[in-house]
Amino acid sequence: QAVVTQEPSLTVSPGGTVTLTCGSTTGPVTNDHYPSWFQQKTGQAPRTLIYDTTKRHPWTPARFSGSRLEGKAALTLSGAQSEDEAEYYCLLSYSGVSPWVFGGGTKLTVL
Amino acid sequence: EVQLLESGGGLVQRGGSLRLSCAASEITVNRYAMNWVRQAPGKGLEWVASLSGSGVTTNYADSVRGRLTISRDDSRNTLYLEMNVVRDDDTAVYYCVAGSFAYWGQGTLVAVSS
Repeated sequence: QAVVTQEPSLTVSPGGTVTLTCGSTTGPVTNDHYPSWFQQKTGQAPRTLIYDTTKRHPWTPARFSGSRLEGKAALTLSGAQSEDEAEYYCLLSYSGVSPWVFGGGTKLTVL
Repeated sequence: EVQLLESGGGLVQRGGSLRLSCAASEITVNRYAMNWVRQAPGKGLEWVASLSGSGVTTNYADSVRGRLTISRDDSRNTLYLEMNVVRDDDTAVYYCVAGSFAYWGQGTLVAVSS
């Protein structure tokens, strides 16, 4: 089964920009993996930020954007705020009987 | 506002059974793909099972296939997860997730005891 890879932790300064990535052990991440990104703050349920690589939900702050970068899915946060400190997970779709795989998560610190 | 309310979690003995429910409002479960996602204490998210909007197709993670069953009751607008032969590693918060993983419930905790 595929493994989805993410940076375990990243730090960004307030107002700064950071990019989180999401890779796959099966090869390059493409739009056919339908990459999604989720934010989870301590003690809360996850909420969806990005789906289908680049699409925002109505509730997604504009400072979050999705893309593909060098064979990986990417989530870029521009103008980080203290409230963005959270765990971020990506999700990829694969063909087969177990079609969804989450990455291990990236703990983002705003400091 | 879409709401997903999970219930049915609790303490269950190893090898036992439990049924989780997810009551939906402002969304119709038979119009969307529905999923269960779990999170073990201090760990990351794990996709568990999905049910297509048509109700025809189900998919399961390898770790639960043959023991957990996803289903729905359209008349109750409710999603279920039947858990059988539970194991220690089934201990987790179980989230009901609707659409393209757009809408999440608050989760229900399942704890497996020996």
